[in-house]
Amino acid sequence: SQKIEQNSEALNIQEGKTATLTCNYTNYSPAYLQWYRQDPGRGPVFLLLIRENEKEKRKERLKVTFDTTLKQSLFHITASQPADSATYLCALGGKSYSSASKIIFGSGTRLSIRP
Amino acid sequence: DAGVTQSPTHLIKTRGQQVTLRCSPKSGHDTVSWYQQALGQGPQFIFQYYEEEERQRGNFPDRFSGHQFPNYSSELNVNALLLGDSALYLCASSFALAGLGVSYNEQFFGPGTRLTVL
Repeated sequence: SQKIEQNSEALNIQEGKTATLTCNYTNYSPAYLQWYRQDPGRGPVFLLLIRENEKEKRKERLKVTFDTTLKQSLFHITASQPADSATYLCALGGKSYSSASKIIFGSGTRLSIRP
Repeated sequence: DAGVTQSPTHLIKTRGQQVTLRCSPKSGHDTVSWYQQALGQGPQFIFQYYEEEERQRGNFPDRFSGHQFPNYSSELNVNALLLGDSALYLCASSFALAGLGVSYNEQFFGPGTRLTVL
């Protein structure tokens, strides 16, 4: 069955450093991959979308890579700040009409940035 | 411009009861998806509505049903509640590519409804 794995343990990073989060998937050929941020008690907030034919996407201090051979995406936050502390979710969407909208989420990685 | 709104914010029910959750999508959006998020887990896709029809469905029993209205707002109904239905229920809206009825776009999530089943 389709599976998405994200770092199950919390990631603790010193302020100013680059945080790197990993998303691995199996038994799936996604058309696109999304990253979301979720704060406690709130709904996820969309950050970035990268398509299968794209290798890298950037938005301000955020960078996402997508390697369909390794079945892996890396999410980087450069010059991290305490305000970046949150849970980050990886989500995949499929290629077919039926799977494109049936987005599958990973369980998320909790990121803590210490001052 | 209001984002996605959901009501109620919190709800406490007992086993066997029925519950209805409501969602208003972001202005300009025509597609609504519902997710269940258990504590410490990622959201799980329940189903998606477009043009007042259920277009896609995840692995949830028939106790979970929904509806979309002409103004694109949506309801999620859960019958015969079980303890395991306790979760945060999230609504997300997006817009479908014209003529395809498929949304590849970013989803905007509401704040969720916290359902507790006792």
